[in-house]
Amino acid sequence: AQSVSQHNHHVILSEAASLELGCNYSYGGTVNLFWYVQYPGQHLQLLLKYFSGDPLVKGIKGFEAEFIKSKFSFNLRKPSVQWSDTAEYFCAVNEGENSNSGYALNFGKGTSLLVTP
Amino acid sequence: GAVVSQHPSRVICKSGTSVKIECRSLDFQATTMFWYRQFPKQSLMLMATSNEGSKATYEQGVEKDKFLINHASLTLSTLTVTSAHPEDSSFYICSARGAGGDGYTFGSGTRLTVV
Repeated sequence: AQSVSQHNHHVILSEAASLELGCNYSYGGTVNLFWYVQYPGQHLQLLLKYFSGDPLVKGIKGFEAEFIKSKFSFNLRKPSVQWSDTAEYFCAVNEGENSNSGYALNFGKGTSLLVTP
Repeated sequence: GAVVSQHPSRVICKSGTSVKIECRSLDFQATTMFWYRQFPKQSLMLMATSNEGSKATYEQGVEKDKFLINHASLTLSTLTVTSAHPEDSSFYICSARGAGGDGYTFGSGTRLTVV
């Protein structure tokens, strides 16, 4: 069955520390990959996405992610976190040859990040 | 950017009653609407997919007679939880996608509590 796994459920970091959140997926075909962030009380917001091309994707707010096809992974990274990065982070995957696949997103369970001053 | 307005944000209802949740796309036409359910500390689980003017496609295990989805226009989709029970208490989120677009715009979610 298709699945998305996020290994870290809760992460606590001090400000300025580096962040890496793991995401692995299990899909048989071509995939599109996403990372979303959900700040407390707010809706999901897109951080970055990968459809094709350069496997190193840069997103908003200094986040980036690297697609490693051989490892079925799409880990999220940020060199230096801020207190304002405290949020829930979701990795998501859908099937498709391109950005217009239109399939629903399949989400991981999320990682709760707490950044302390 | 694209915005989806979801209402209500919170609702408490009595067991046996029905609750309607609305999602409106404010500045684009939502040809496809996805409805998700999220339990505490869990992932978003897809409930159903609806295309404007068509019947919704429900995921396995989701009761279509209990969770009624209407997508009658390109800017409005509704989810009605019929004869709600305490086990239906959850966080419901809609996600809209426009024609030819590559983005999924999420509503802010509805916290349903059935007492």
